[in-house]
This record gives sequence, C-alpha cells and structure tokens, in this order.
Amino acid sequence: AQSVTQPDIHITVSEGASLELRCNYSYGATPYLFWYVQSPGQGLQLLLKYFSGDTLVQGIKGFEAEFKRSQSSFNLRKPSVHWSDAAEYFCAVGFTNAGKSTFGDGTTLTVKP
Amino acid sequence: KAGVTQTPRYLIKTRGQQVTLSCSPISGHRSVSWYQQTPGQGLQFLFEYFSETQRNKGNFPGRFSGRQFSNSRSEMNVSTLELGDSALYLCASSLAGLSTDTQYFGPGTRLTVL
Repeated sequence: AQSVTQPDIHITVSEGASLELRCNYSYGATPYLFWYVQSPGQGLQLLLKYFSGDTLVQGIKGFEAEFKRSQSSFNLRKPSVHWSDAAEYFCAVGFTNAGKSTFGDGTTLTVKP
Repeated sequence: KAGVTQTPRYLIKTRGQQVTLSCSPISGHRSVSWYQQTPGQGLQFLFEYFSETQRNKGNFPGRFSGRQFSNSRSEMNVSTLELGDSALYLCASSLAGLSTDTQYFGPGTRLTVL
C-alpha cells in the first residue's frame, strides 16, 4: 500500500532563513505528488504539485519542490521564510488506479522573529 | 468560482447526541471527501462520495456516515457522539475523485463534544 512519510513533526526556523521540509513516499509506480499548507483554523491549500516533466516544481508563495525518484522524495523548499509561513504542511501522494490519495502526518513550521 | 463551503463552522454538542455537517463543493466537482483532523491522529480519511455513491471508506465506526446529493453537496452525520469525536472535520472536493486529482478543501467544521 502507498504511504507517505514526513520525518519532521516540528521545525523551527528564523525569519529570513531557508527552509526544507522532507517528504518520502513508498510505492512502485510513478507518483503524483502534492504539497498543501494549512494555516491555523483553516483548511488545506495547494502549494504545488508534480505529475511529470521537470522535476523542480514552482508553487505559490515562493515555494518550490524537487522530485527525486532515486530517493523517493519530494522535498519542499523556500529560500527565505516569512513569519506568515508559519503553518502546518502536508505532503500527499496519489497514483493512477489507486482509490484515494494518501497524506503524510504533517510538519508544523514555527518561524522565529 | 466560489470555493468549498462548510456549515456550520463551529458546533458544540454533548455526548450521545448526533450531528450533521454540510459541505458544498466547487461548482463542477463531483467528488467530495471527508477528513477528521485531531492533534493526536493527524488527518484521517473518513469517506469519499462520487455521483451520490460512496466509493472509498476509511477505518471509522458505523456511527460515521455520509451521503451526497444530486447537486454534489454532501453531508456527514455522526451519531451517539463521544468525547473523542471532538475534531476539525474537513471536506475536500475534486473533479473526479481520482487519487491524482488536486483536492480543494473547505475551512472545516470545528466540533466540540462535551
């Protein structure tokens, strides 16, 4: 069965510092990969997604993610974090012919001033 | 295009009562999924409806049920509420409910069971 692992439950970075959130998936087929963000008290919003083609994907709010098939990873990055980026981030994976997509447990990002 | 709407946004109930939550998907979306989110368990999939039929179901007891109407609006019902049902309930809509579709989430309904 497909699974998604976000190894970091909680990450704290200083405002202006770079950010990398990790995501690993397991399954044999070519994945469809998503990153969502959830601000406090809100639903999830899509940041970016990867289906095929260029393995470096640009998203909203200055985020990008890189798909590395050899490592089964899809890490989210941002060069300079803003205080408004404090939120919970979810990685999700889907596959053709799979019943539903699978979400990771989420990573909570705290931004220090 | 209007986003996914959920009503009510907040609910307070007591143990043993039942509750119905509503979700209106984005126009044109035929799939609605429901999730329970708690601090301890994270995002847990409840069920997914497509064209008024339940296609996928998570590992929740029968007290949790749902339905979808012909206009794709969906409701979920929880009967005989327990303290552990306190959570944020999120619904998400997508075009066809495929695992490869982008899901669009509503703001959630915060349910508190006393």
